[in-house]
Parts: sequence; structure tokens; C-alpha cells
Amino acid sequence: KAGVTQTPRYLIKTRGQQVTLSCSPISGHRSVSWYQQTPGQGLQFLFEYFSETQRNKGNFPGRFSGRQFSNSRSEMNVSTLELGDSALYLCASSLYQQIMNTEAFFGQGTRLTVV
Amino acid sequence: DQQVKQNSPSLSVQEGRISILNCDYTNSMFDYFLWYKKYPAEGPTFLISISSIKDKNEDGRFTVFLNKSAKHLSLHIVPSQPGDSAVYFCAASAGYSGGGADGLTFGKGTHLIIQP
Repeated sequence: KAGVTQTPRYLIKTRGQQVTLSCSPISGHRSVSWYQQTPGQGLQFLFEYFSETQRNKGNFPGRFSGRQFSNSRSEMNVSTLELGDSALYLCASSLYQQIMNTEAFFGQGTRLTVV
Repeated sequence: DQQVKQNSPSLSVQEGRISILNCDYTNSMFDYFLWYKKYPAEGPTFLISISSIKDKNEDGRFTVFLNKSAKHLSLHIVPSQPGDSAVYFCAASAGYSGGGADGLTFGKGTHLIIQP
């Protein structure tokens, strides 16, 4: 069974631009969560989508947004990029919402560099 | 305020011996815990999980122990193998009883090095 697929793997963007990242979860999984990993802050929760609805949101500004489609694929968008947005963005796929205490499986991530 | 702490940034263990990775948490609402292994430039790989209703869960070479009163969990790897060299992350979540609003909360990781 295919794992979690994130595209693209690498991105370089300029300050002020916007970016869209994509995540295809494991087949049959309905929850997609997004995390940001930086050397200083570690892995931090951005938001979770389940059945096309945002269920939870972490402590990130409104420049970070996302959506989920009917096939459970999810996109994450960051507008007005800042240098501090440079990070590894990870997508996690779960059968159920995380509130159900379920295992989460991660993709390989998208490495975003803002210059 | 770090709710999940892995106080050892790195740990070196000889091949064949036991590796013990530790994790402490402060949020008493956490009721589900997971361990992940991560290689450079890859996403975290799920290893094992434990619910707060248990104090031990075993899967092959990996065993997780949970001590709720001490808010402490540990991952034991026996025997340690060279391929186990990676960064290990402890993660926690709060289910319905704890609000479950923040996804998974991760520790900063412990770099395990298995020496031949």
C-alpha cells in the first residue's frame, strides 16, 4: 500500500511570495495533519483536516492555511513568505482524527527555503 | 513551555546492547504516546505507541514503558542494531477527555548512535 506522498520535495521561494504544498494520504485515511519542523522549535503542529473540514489549528499566524479535498488529499498554503518560514513541512496521515488517539504516518516532507 | 521533553540530545550505545530513550511530559491531559524514528532528509517513521490505560507495549525489539505517576515514558530497543542509528522523537496527544486540540506534541528528539 502506498505511503504518504508529499510534493514537491524541495522548494525555493522569495520573501513575500506565496507557496502551496500538497499531500496525498494513505489510501483510506481521512485525516491529514500538517507540521513544521525547524532546528530551533522542533516539530510543531499546524492544523488537522478531517472530512474536508479543519478540525484543529496550532499556534501559527493566519498566513498559514490549508484545505482538504473529497479524496482526502490536502494542500497547505503559506502567503507573504518570511525568512523564518524556511523549514521542513511534514504531512501526517491517520485513519481517524488525532483526537481518537490514532497512529499518524508521515510523508517525506517538503523542504521550503525562503530567500 | 515544553510539554514533552527529551532531555538527552544524544545517546551512544554499543551494537547488541540495550538502548533506552527517555521522555518526560508535563500535561496531565495527554493520554496517548508515540515514538518515531527519523533519518536525515526523511519524514518520521512510526515505531510504537501506548495508551495511558497501559503501562507497557511491546513490538519486536521495541518496548515502550509508561509511568503515569511520574509522567515519564521510555523506549527500549533490544538488541540495538546499526540501522537503529537515527533521531528518535517522543510524541503525545490528548484525546477527547483532554480536548485533543493540538495534534501531536513532540519532544526535540534524541540522536541515537549505535557503535559497532
